[in-house]
Amino acid sequence: GAVVSQHPSRVICKSGTSVKIECRSLDFQATTMFWYRQFPKQSLMLMATSNEGSKATYEQGVEKDKFLINHASLTLSTLTVTSAHPEDSSFYICSPRDSGRKNEQFFGPGTRLTVL
Amino acid sequence: DAKTTQPPSMDCAEGRAANLPCNHSTISGNEYVYWYRQIHSQGPQYIIHGLKNNETNEMASLIITEDRKSSTLILPHATLRDTAVYYCIVSTSGNTPLVFGKGTRLSVIA
Repeated sequence: GAVVSQHPSRVICKSGTSVKIECRSLDFQATTMFWYRQFPKQSLMLMATSNEGSKATYEQGVEKDKFLINHASLTLSTLTVTSAHPEDSSFYICSPRDSGRKNEQFFGPGTRLTVL
Repeated sequence: DAKTTQPPSMDCAEGRAANLPCNHSTISGNEYVYWYRQIHSQGPQYIIHGLKNNETNEMASLIITEDRKSSTLILPHATLRDTAVYYCIVSTSGNTPLVFGKGTRLSVIA
């Protein structure tokens, strides 16, 4: 399977600060990146979809000005949680799609964000 | 919304086969059945997928009924490391993002 990395794996921050999460596809090019979040004891929920070089599209209820997504290259996408609050504490998972492998969707290891 | 229905939890004895059912009665002709699992605090891991024929790989077997309205994931010899939440997802291949339901929490017991 494909290799996907996320950094950091876990982060603790104070309320009001911003946190950037990086997602890299190490052995393939991802024309599309999906970002999910998962609250405790719940399933993964899609937050947004981004295509390389284009603006991201956000799911209903996800604030685009709060969750900034940059997908400037085929191997790197970032999610920035701006002015984080305790309710943003969650497990964030990136999911790049490999157009070269029948659009197969892979998943990163996730980033645990805790906002104090 | 997820298009699948799975039991919320199951137990399996270590070394025995784990059979995880999934109902997808509204599946369309061009939709595949995917299975992923998520071990605690990790990202989802791909297991297997199929369209209408049964599939087998080094991890599991996927049995899809002839009418495609349900399927079963089989872990032939469950180990403690197979304890995870298993998600059954139906989706067209590569056109839309995967939508996760609540899955089945499988507990493998020694």
